[in-house]
Amino acid sequence: AQKITQTQPGMFVQEKEAVTLDCTYDTSDPSYGLFWYKQPSSGEMIFLIYQGSYDQQNATEGRYSLNFQKARKSANLVISASQLGDSAMYFCAMREDGGFKTIFGAGTRLFVKA
Amino acid sequence: GAGVSQSPSNKVTEKGKDVELRCDPISGHTALYWYRQSLGQGLEFLIYFQGNSAPDKSGLPSDRFSAERTGGSVSTLTIQRTQQEDSAVYLCASSGTSGGVGDTQYFGPGTRLTVL
Repeated sequence: AQKITQTQPGMFVQEKEAVTLDCTYDTSDPSYGLFWYKQPSSGEMIFLIYQGSYDQQNATEGRYSLNFQKARKSANLVISASQLGDSAMYFCAMREDGGFKTIFGAGTRLFVKA
Repeated sequence: GAGVSQSPSNKVTEKGKDVELRCDPISGHTALYWYRQSLGQGLEFLIYFQGNSAPDKSGLPSDRFSAERTGGSVSTLTIQRTQQEDSAVYLCASSGTSGGVGDTQYFGPGTRLTVL
């Protein structure tokens, strides 16, 4: 059964520094997709980045990159040059090929300090 | 607008009443999802619609919950005889492809339901 684990309930980072949010997953399907979403206090879920299981390179989107380690089943989100507006909940999610259901981790709350 | 919209943004109701929550997906998106997010928790899948296919209702927590999607577009989630444990934010998402692994869901702002 598919499973997503985010072990960091809360993280602090100094403004302008980089931060890594951990995500591990479990699936028996060789084809799957991994997603990160940001949820600010307004409540809306904002898509950040996607990594396919067959992608050879780590995904990057602006200041966001995904450190994909397939053998370890980890898909950590790296945010470079943190900004105050990055303070939010971050959710890791996974979808297996052939399925529609996307499962979400419990989330990590990031606090960016000025 | 171009995004997923949901209404109402907030709903306060009394225990035992029925409520209807509405979702208007991104135009052209064939897939629509409903999730529930309780305070400080992750997302709980409720139901999934894909085109004209029968919906997958495997995530609905009880028979008090139902959803429909008219004309392959707007969806309504109905909760009958609401209970206090139904209090949560209900999020709707839509996606535009046929359900492949890279199918990215785009979320609406949610409806915050409070059952007194």
